[in-house]
Amino acid sequence: RKEVEQDPGPFNVPEGATVAFNCTYSNSASQSFFWYRQDCRKEPKLLMSVYSSGNEDGRFTAQLNRASQYISLLIRDSKLSDSATYLCVVASYGNKLVFGAGTILRVKS
Amino acid sequence: NAGVTQTPKFRVLKTGQSMTLLCAQDMNHEYMYWYRQDPGMGLRLIHYSVGEGTTAKGEVPDGYNVSRLKKQNFLLGLESAAPSQTSVYFCASSVLVYEQFFGPGTRLTVL
Repeated sequence: RKEVEQDPGPFNVPEGATVAFNCTYSNSASQSFFWYRQDCRKEPKLLMSVYSSGNEDGRFTAQLNRASQYISLLIRDSKLSDSATYLCVVASYGNKLVFGAGTILRVKS
Repeated sequence: NAGVTQTPKFRVLKTGQSMTLLCAQDMNHEYMYWYRQDPGMGLRLIHYSVGEGTTAKGEVPDGYNVSRLKKQNFLLGLESAAPSQTSVYFCASSVLVYEQFFGPGTRLTVL
């Protein structure tokens, strides 16, 4: 079983739609959680951290459920520029991040 | 301020050849990392460094060696390339482990 699992998609949505991605992780000792964004043939970039209380950054909302070992990302009012691969990332002990394989989002006009 | 740079951007090798990938960062970061990214696998950590002169193994270290002689540089070596090492290689650096800044990647094909 992979340590971080995501639905690979692709999710094809129209502009203005709300879309949600889920991610599960297997290591209950995981300390911190993040979403990274990766554009086609580009490097990953940090999108946002995920806190137990949930956090919001503009149209993006991230949630963490430690009991279920589940992380989510909600994107409201999707834009064409949101088209990318979204990587769920978990920090375990030590100086290492574990990346999910990513969920592909395609926003269509 | 260039951030993280990688050379080369593309390379084609024959099985058994060797090469070195260079990563440089100008942000004075202590931590540096080498990942490989394959379809459906996500990024996997090859080796990492927590400071000048230190290196440690990641998840998939076999077939690779690294060196961090200067704080700003992290080199990844392939001594005898194999087709299984065909991949996109990303270097990253960070102050804290969590926000890692990535280079643009090196696309390596081993024939």
